[in-house]
Amino acid sequence: AQSVSQHNHHVILSEAASLELGCNYSYGGTVNLFWYVQYPGQHLQLLLKYFSGDPLVKGIKGFEAEFIKSKFSFNLRKPSVQWSDTAEYFCASTGGGNKLTFGTGTQLKVEL
Amino acid sequence: SQTIHQWPATLVQPVGSPLSLECTVEGTSNPNLYWYRQAAGRGLQLLFYSIGIGQISSEVPQNLSASRPQDRQFILSSKKLLLSDSGFYLCAWSLGHLNYGYTFGSGTRLTVV
Repeated sequence: AQSVSQHNHHVILSEAASLELGCNYSYGGTVNLFWYVQYPGQHLQLLLKYFSGDPLVKGIKGFEAEFIKSKFSFNLRKPSVQWSDTAEYFCASTGGGNKLTFGTGTQLKVEL
Repeated sequence: SQTIHQWPATLVQPVGSPLSLECTVEGTSNPNLYWYRQAAGRGLQLLFYSIGIGQISSEVPQNLSASRPQDRQFILSSKKLLLSDSGFYLCAWSLGHLNYGYTFGSGTRLTVV
């Protein structure tokens, strides 16, 4: 079965530090890949998505992700995090069906 | 534009009571509809999804059921709630090709007491 792995469960950074959150998927065919964010007390929102073209995808709030097919990875990056980036981040992938498979999430805390 | 409505936002129910959570989508036709449960440290667990009226796929055997009586309405139900049914339930919709991912509702926090 399709799976998505997020190896960092909890990340704590200081403001202005760089961020990279790992995401690996298992499906060997064509995939669409997504990062969602859930700010405290808010609903899940789409941060960015990849389904074709340039493997470097830019999303909202300065986030970007790179699709590396050979590594089955779609890591999320941000050069300089802000306190307001404190949230839970979910990676998700299609796998040839009608649904997304989500990772278990990464809780990011940014300290002032 | 498309919107998704999910209610109620919070619910406290006694063990053994029935459950009905409703989700409706506006501004699109024939959406794929999904029910997820979110638990801390366990991410998002897909419970049910539907690609059309009356078509329900169950992902996890449990005390819950889902129905899609109308094109843009998706209902999550239980005849008798268990303590283990407590959690945060999310409804989502998508287009069939999934190129744009899901749009999630605001969720329902269910506490079974």
